Amino acid sequence: DIQMTQSPSSLSASVGDRVTITCRTSQSISNYLNWYQQKPGKAPKLLFYAASSLQSGVPSRFSGSGSGTDFTLTISSLQPEDFATYSCQQSYSTPLTFGGGTKVEIK
Amino acid sequence: QVQLQESGPGLVKPSETLSLTCTVSGGSISSYYWSWIRQSPGKGLEWIGYIHYSGSTNYNPSLKSRVTISVDTSKNQFSLKLSSVTAADTAVYYCARRGNYYDSSGYHYFFDYWGQGTLVTVSS
Repeated sequence: DIQMTQSPSSLSASVGDRVTITCRTSQSISNYLNWYQQKPGKAPKLLFYAASSLQSGVPSRFSGSGSGTDFTLTISSLQPEDFATYSCQQSYSTPLTFGGGTKVEIK
Repeated sequence: QVQLQESGPGLVKPSETLSLTCTVSGGSISSYYWSWIRQSPGKGLEWIGYIHYSGSTNYNPSLKSRVTISVDTSKNQFSLKLSSVTAADTAVYYCARRGNYYDSSGYHYFFDYWGQGTLVTVSS
């Protein structure tokens, strides 16, 4: 199985801050990486597929990058509605696996 | 707009079989793969498996011996059965659609539509 490691596991930030979340995989997966946002009590919401392709309706302050084993999700200017947990997921091979999540909290 | 809705018992006894159904509305179940994903309390997401409308399946090896996913195209539904459950199977269970995208690397797959999730507790 491909192991997914996200860092940090949590962070505190203020509205307007630039936030970067990292996802590292245990083997190279090219750009077969997706990002999701999840709010408490809600289902995950797709943000990016193929590492950097923005899902329709997702604000442009979000960006995704990376290839191989290292990937990054960046929020350029954190907004109140962005406080949530973010998870990466590899689609390179089955079993499909997810990172443990990064919780973005209000400072 | 595609919508998914999970249904089934919220409480299952240990050693029994967990059964859930996902009803798809706003679109046909045909032409896509459909998946079950779970999230234990306070934990990350775990992919259980997926099924194509034709009936072909792919399961997570960690659960494969206990999992059956089936599809009923006439009802636009797919279902999950997980046998011999224990407290470790307590989780929110989500159904989701597997979307796809093609680029120079090949086909990319992702979960683009999700149900709201249903909490299943395993307890006597």
